[in-house]
Amino acid sequence: EADIYQTPRYLVIGTGKKITLECSQTMGHDKMYWYQQDPGMELHLIHYSYGVNSTEKGDLSSESTVSRIRTEHFPLTLESARPSHTSQYLCASSEWLAGVQETQYFGPGTRLLVL
Amino acid sequence: DQQVKQNSPSLSVQEGRISILNCDYTNSMFDYFLWYKKYPAEGPTFLISISSIKDKNEDGRFTVFLNKSAKHLSLHIVPSQPGDSAVYFCAARIQGGSEKLVFGKGTKLTVNP
Repeated sequence: EADIYQTPRYLVIGTGKKITLECSQTMGHDKMYWYQQDPGMELHLIHYSYGVNSTEKGDLSSESTVSRIRTEHFPLTLESARPSHTSQYLCASSEWLAGVQETQYFGPGTRLLVL
Repeated sequence: DQQVKQNSPSLSVQEGRISILNCDYTNSMFDYFLWYKKYPAEGPTFLISISSIKDKNEDGRFTVFLNKSAKHLSLHIVPSQPGDSAVYFCAARIQGGSEKLVFGKGTKLTVNP
């Protein structure tokens, strides 16, 4: 099972502020993901990465950006937070083993409230 | 258009009885299915998975059944325990190497003592 960490767990911030949500994993997984989830709704993939210097946009359009400079670290940044960004942000990682279907393991999430 | 549907937003069962959570999908290209459990204010926890080449996978109290012709899968929990109370998400992966998962909206399970 992956050890994956997210900070902060909760964040209340004013409109227009720049924020960075941190995600780190200690299992050496190549693949990492960011999901956004609103209450009662499904998780939507907003960003993913297959490895260092690899980032792709997910299925749900997001104004956030990500970077992958180190294998273990996959931060998400919002340059100017807005109330519409209020949501829960979940980070995940996975490792593909030849012949074995991979499983994504999730961090505890960051609950963001933009006032 | 939702490709993975969990039509029951909530389910309540008595402790010791069976819990059956259902999931329907529309995309025949899905080849791998997973169930996650999520407690409030925590991230989803992987429970059990099944490949499309199988119709059943069992792990302790948890069994997942897959009916490909009906595009339906279900998670059975026997016996149900109060600690199983959580939101359960069904997820599916598209065949062809894409690692992206498509999630349902979840079913909130309450197990009453």
